[in-house]
Amino acid sequence: DIQMTQSPSTLSASVGDRVIITCRASQTVNRYLAWYQQTPGKAPKLLIYEASSVKPGVPSRFTGSGSGTEFTLTIRSLQPDDFATYYCQQYDTYPFIFGPGTKVDV
Amino acid sequence: QITLTESGPTLVKPTQTVTLTCTFSGFSLTTSGVGVAWLRQPPGKALEWLALIYWNDGKRYNSSLKSRITITKDTSTNQVFLTMTNMDPVDTATYYCARPGGNFWTGSLGWLDPWGQGTLVTVSS
Repeated sequence: DIQMTQSPSTLSASVGDRVIITCRASQTVNRYLAWYQQTPGKAPKLLIYEASSVKPGVPSRFTGSGSGTEFTLTIRSLQPDDFATYYCQQYDTYPFIFGPGTKVDV
Repeated sequence: QITLTESGPTLVKPTQTVTLTCTFSGFSLTTSGVGVAWLRQPPGKALEWLALIYWNDGKRYNSSLKSRITITKDTSTNQVFLTMTNMDPVDTATYYCARPGGNFWTGSLGWLDPWGQGTLVTVSS
């Protein structure tokens, strides 16, 4: 199975900060990489698919980049609603493994 | 509008078999290229992809759980089921179903949107 890692595991930030989260795959996943946001007690929400395609309705401050084995999620100017846990997921090869998550807190 | 709703027992005993139901609307599992996935999340831990079933009854499983889980569907009732055998306290988790998006024919199907609200299953004697 493909292994996914994320860094950092926890990130302390303030409103207005630029935040960058990295996701790495143990082998290439091409551009088949999605990002999700999850707040406590809620189901995850899709932010980005195919590495850089932003889901309609997601604020433009969220961007994704990368291909192959290394990907990033950037939040341009952190807003109060953005304090959450972020997961990457590869869907190149079954099983479609998730990363361990990055918690963005104050 | 696509919605998915999970249901099933909230408390099961160790060694029991549990069947969870995902009831969906807004799409059909008789449509080519469509699928439904199951995932879970133990309290305070990360998401885990479990299984996926396609319109053509193709199935994919998490390698580490393949011997214990079975995914099936009933297209007449718009439901997908996840059966898990030999439940253990470590299987305590919120179980979600979700619709994979993308294009099956180009191999790009797999991002998940939308998700159900999840159902918490506790395994305890």
